[in-house]
Amino acid sequence: EPEVTQTPSHQVTQMGQEVILRCVPISNHLYFYWYRQILGQKVEFLVSFYNNEISEKSEIFDDQFSVERPDGSNFTLKIRSTKLEDSAMYFCASSRIRQETQYFGPGTRLLVL
Amino acid sequence: DAKTTQPPSMDCAEGRAANLPCNHSTISGNEYVYWYRQIHSQGPQYIIHGLKNNETNEMASLIITEDRKSSTLILPHATLRDTAVYYCIVRARGGADGLTFGKGTHLIIQP
Repeated sequence: EPEVTQTPSHQVTQMGQEVILRCVPISNHLYFYWYRQILGQKVEFLVSFYNNEISEKSEIFDDQFSVERPDGSNFTLKIRSTKLEDSAMYFCASSRIRQETQYFGPGTRLLVL
Repeated sequence: DAKTTQPPSMDCAEGRAANLPCNHSTISGNEYVYWYRQIHSQGPQYIIHGLKNNETNEMASLIITEDRKSSTLILPHATLRDTAVYYCIVRARGGADGLTFGKGTHLIIQP
């Protein structure tokens, strides 16, 4: 069964550093998403992406964040200058078309020191 | 999207049916009910969804009341691996892209 994959599974970085989180969505899916979950809190939507541009973004997704589909398979989330409060699990998801079921990856645990 | 209310936690004996309730009294006609679960900080796992008819798949059954104001997710023979947080999410066709997760129900399967 096809699944969303994410790398790395864990990332530790220093405050102020840039990080790139990678995702490989399910191959015939056209919509891609990033969510985050701070420890002990709810899963929160960050951004959706379709046809090489952002479809929607939440208030959390500020100028520090960017997304990209650099090639035909990867979907990335970049955090330009990490802050302590960016420490969280980051989940990628994909869906075949908008409004269809979203399937999530296993997540990347980001720790900012 | 309509709000949902779920009990914060539930216990169920292994091998028994786990029935997880969800209240969505403000649901509108074009809103679907989705269920996901999250096992110990793993990625949310899709379980099932429905509009107004009851649905069943290999994982679970979804029973939606006739007025659509509440639903029940049924895991027919719960195992220890079903211990997880279960999220009931209401989502409109043509609504926002992002799923709105609440706190869910922490289901604990007891041996």
